[in-house]
Amino acid sequence: EAGVAQSPRYKIIEKRQSVAFWCNPISGHATLYWYQQILGQGPKLLIQFQNNGVVDDSQLPKDRFSAERLKGVDSTLKIQPAKLEDSAVYLCASSNSYSEQYFGPGTRLTVT
Amino acid sequence: QKEVEQNSGPLSVPEGAIASLNCTYSDRGSQSFFWYRQYSGKSPELIMSIYSNGDKEDGRFTAQLNKASQYVSLLIRDSQPSDSATYLCAVIGSGTYKYIFGTGTRLKVLA
Repeated sequence: EAGVAQSPRYKIIEKRQSVAFWCNPISGHATLYWYQQILGQGPKLLIQFQNNGVVDDSQLPKDRFSAERLKGVDSTLKIQPAKLEDSAVYLCASSNSYSEQYFGPGTRLTVT
Repeated sequence: QKEVEQNSGPLSVPEGAIASLNCTYSDRGSQSFFWYRQYSGKSPELIMSIYSNGDKEDGRFTAQLNKASQYVSLLIRDSQPSDSATYLCAVIGSGTYKYIFGTGTRLKVLA
C-alpha cells in the first residue's frame, strides 16, 4: 500500500512570496490533516478535512494560509504572502475515520 | 494548562534498560490515545494506539492508559540506541475529533 505523498520536499522562498504544497493521502482515507511543525515542537494542526469538507481550521491563519481538498482526495496548502515565522516543516497525514494517522515525509519550508 | 503535556527531556537511559515516557491530557472525555516516534529530520510514525484503560503490549513496547488520572504512558523494554528519538503523545479530543499532539519527549539510549 502506498503511503502519503507530499511535494515538494524542500522549498526556499523570500518573505512576501507565495508557496503551495501538495498532498496525496493513502487510498481510501477520508480524513486528511495538515500540520505545521516548528523545530523542537510537536505538530500543530492547521486544518482537518473529512472527505472534501473542513472539520477544523481554527488554528489556520486565514489571512495568509488557505487549503483545499478537491474531490475528497488530493489537497493543497498555500501560503500567501509568506513571513519569516512560517519557516517550518509542513506535514500532511491521513487516517481512516479519526483513527491512527499516517504521515507523509513533509515539506521543509525556509523563508528568508 | 496545555491540552497534552509531556516532559521535553532529554530522558537518558542505558542500553537494555526500560524507558518510561509519560503524557497527561486535560480533556477528560478523550477516548483515543496514540504514541508516535519521530527521528530527527523525519516525520512521525505510529507506534501504538490505546483506547481502553489498562496495558497494551506490542513487542518491546507497552502503552498504559489511566483515564481517571488522565495520563497515558509508554514503556520501552530492552532499550536500544536505535530507539533514540522524540516520542510524541497524541490525543483525540472529545466531540471535535481533533488530534492534539504534545511537544514530545526526547529519548537518548546510551550504548
